[in-house]
Amino acid sequence: DGGITQSPKYLFRKEGQNVTLSCEQNLNHDAMYWYRQDPGQGLRLIYYSQIVNDFQKGDIAEGYSVSREKKESFPLTVTSAQKNPTAFYLCASSHRDSPLGGYTFGSGTRLTVV
Amino acid sequence: DQQVKQNSPSLSVQEGRISILNCDYTNSMFDYFLWYKKYPAEGPTFLISISSIKDKNEDGRFTVFLNKSAKHLSLHIVPSQPGDSAVYFCAASSYTGNQFYFGTGTSLTVIP
Repeated sequence: DGGITQSPKYLFRKEGQNVTLSCEQNLNHDAMYWYRQDPGQGLRLIYYSQIVNDFQKGDIAEGYSVSREKKESFPLTVTSAQKNPTAFYLCASSHRDSPLGGYTFGSGTRLTVV
Repeated sequence: DQQVKQNSPSLSVQEGRISILNCDYTNSMFDYFLWYKKYPAEGPTFLISISSIKDKNEDGRFTVFLNKSAKHLSLHIVPSQPGDSAVYFCAASSYTGNQFYFGTGTSLTVIP
């Protein structure tokens, strides 16, 4: 079955530590995205990538980093510079030229800083 | 600045009745609009879409209406079922855009 997999589902991090969230898709989608969801707010875009080895900052990229070395994978690193990292993180993918097809989302990673 | 707004954080509807979820946007360049449904601790799932060349799109119990002059779209669910209870997000993008902008979501509760 094709899909998009995020791991882990729950993640706890100590303050000052970097942590990497995994996102893998086998849908042969060109584009991949990272969103953050906070209570009472919509999904906010952190980073996106439309092709391998290229990525762009979204609206709230500060304190995050990404890589896109393979088409299937788009890991997100939450660095110690991110001031308020506790949130629900969603990874998504899509065909680059099919906007009405929408995104396929993973099931999310809930990150908690302790 | 929020480009896509869902002004009703929550909505309760009796089973069998119509649910109407509303969404407003500010960017007149937006051409594509999507609705997603999300259950707690899960990723959103795509529900229905519409492009600006249409004013209505129907898929089973779900119909999306677009009023470009008012920069407003709505999702109608008829008849509503308890399994429809979830958070619904609208999203919008321009033809040349690289991303969809999401609203804050409306939590729908369908009461049996």
